[in-house]
Amino acid sequence: GQQVMQIPQYQHVQEGEDFTTYCNSSTTLSNIQWYKQRPGGHPVFLIQLVKSGEVKKQKRLTFQFGEAKKNSSLHITATQTTDVGTYFCAGTGTASKLTFGTGTRLQVTL
Amino acid sequence: GAVVSQHPSRVICKSGTSVKIECRSLDFQATTMFWYRQFPKQSLMLMATSNEGSKATYEQGVEKDKFLINHASLTLSTLTVTSAHPEDSSFYICSAGQGSELFFGSGTQLSVL
Repeated sequence: GQQVMQIPQYQHVQEGEDFTTYCNSSTTLSNIQWYKQRPGGHPVFLIQLVKSGEVKKQKRLTFQFGEAKKNSSLHITATQTTDVGTYFCAGTGTASKLTFGTGTRLQVTL
Repeated sequence: GAVVSQHPSRVICKSGTSVKIECRSLDFQATTMFWYRQFPKQSLMLMATSNEGSKATYEQGVEKDKFLINHASLTLSTLTVTSAHPEDSSFYICSAGQGSELFFGSGTQLSVL
């Protein structure tokens, strides 16, 4: 079945450093979504990308969808302690089913 | 954005008992809701898709007699963990879609003693 992997599993950065998480699907996706889950909380929708090569920005967050629509990335510029949490990508494949990635846990310290 | 309410947030039960978890869409109607299970520091695994007025669709490996799903109205889906065992202890979370966006409930931490 469809598998969505993310790397790294965990990253610890100093506040102000940049952070990137990469998402790779075993199959071509019709769209990719990104969610953030704070410790002890539930996933919160961040964004959806649909077009091949699409790039979207939300303040310090930059999201990219690969040309082949099998990978995506989330880049955070100048991290802040409020960015702490686990970032999940979720892709919709041929079965119109949303599959969550393995997640990247981000820790930010002062 | 839309709000999905999930109750209870935490439940502790004895082995062999059944536990019901409710998921409500508060300000929109949801013909479809999704139930996920999440182990600590792991991803969300889709258990089943709840369809209003019809049977739920279960993912491979999920026992439908163990995890009973009822979606009797456009705003309420319930998941009942029957004859719970310690291995059923987990974080259960529901979601409902509005447009292309999924809105999640706050989750239920189930601990089976």
